[in-house]
Amino acid sequence: KQEVTQIPAALSVPEGENLVLNCSFTDSAIYNLQWFRQDPGKGLTSLLLIQSSQREQTSGRLNASLDKSSGRSTLYIAASQPGDSATYLCAVHSGGGADGLTFGKGTHLIIQP
Amino acid sequence: NAGVMQNPRHLVRRRGQEARLRCSPMKGHSHVYWYRQLPEEGLKFMVYLQKENIIDESGMPKERFSAEFPKEGPSILRIQQVVRGDSAAYFCASSPKGLAGGPSTDTQYFGPGTRLTVL
Repeated sequence: KQEVTQIPAALSVPEGENLVLNCSFTDSAIYNLQWFRQDPGKGLTSLLLIQSSQREQTSGRLNASLDKSSGRSTLYIAASQPGDSATYLCAVHSGGGADGLTFGKGTHLIIQP
Repeated sequence: NAGVMQNPRHLVRRRGQEARLRCSPMKGHSHVYWYRQLPEEGLKFMVYLQKENIIDESGMPKERFSAEFPKEGPSILRIQQVVRGDSAAYFCASSPKGLAGGPSTDTQYFGPGTRLTVL
């Protein structure tokens, strides 16, 4: 059974800092891994999708890496801004007949102005 | 292209009543997924449907919960005889058709969710 863990559970940093969010998963047989952002009381916004054959994806100030063999992904946020404050969720789409995404519990990020 | 739409956004029910949650996938998407987010918990997969077919319902409680995705109209998640423990945010996601009829490896696009409160 796939399990996804995100570290840290919460993070508070001053504006302008670069930061790294971590995600680990127990079963390396995955189709892809997605990073989402969730604002309080809102739905999920997809940030980056990394297919199992890829090593990283970049979008603006965001960079996500994937090391499938070790079951790890990182989300790097450069030059953080107060608007980046949200909960960041990591989710894997596993193979082996598991059709839904398996989510971590998220990292609650606060960027201090 | 409108995103995934869910309604109602907020739903209040008394114990024992029925809750019906609706999801309209993005245009051109034939795969629908339902997830539940309990307070202070992560999102949990419930069910995966394609048009007129339930593909995987391994995450859905065996009793009181059912889902459908008819040929015409939105996907419906139905909860009968609701209990307080059903209070949660229910999210729907959609994705385009997968290659060779298999699971889609594309991004899942999420709707805004329906927040169910059971009194």
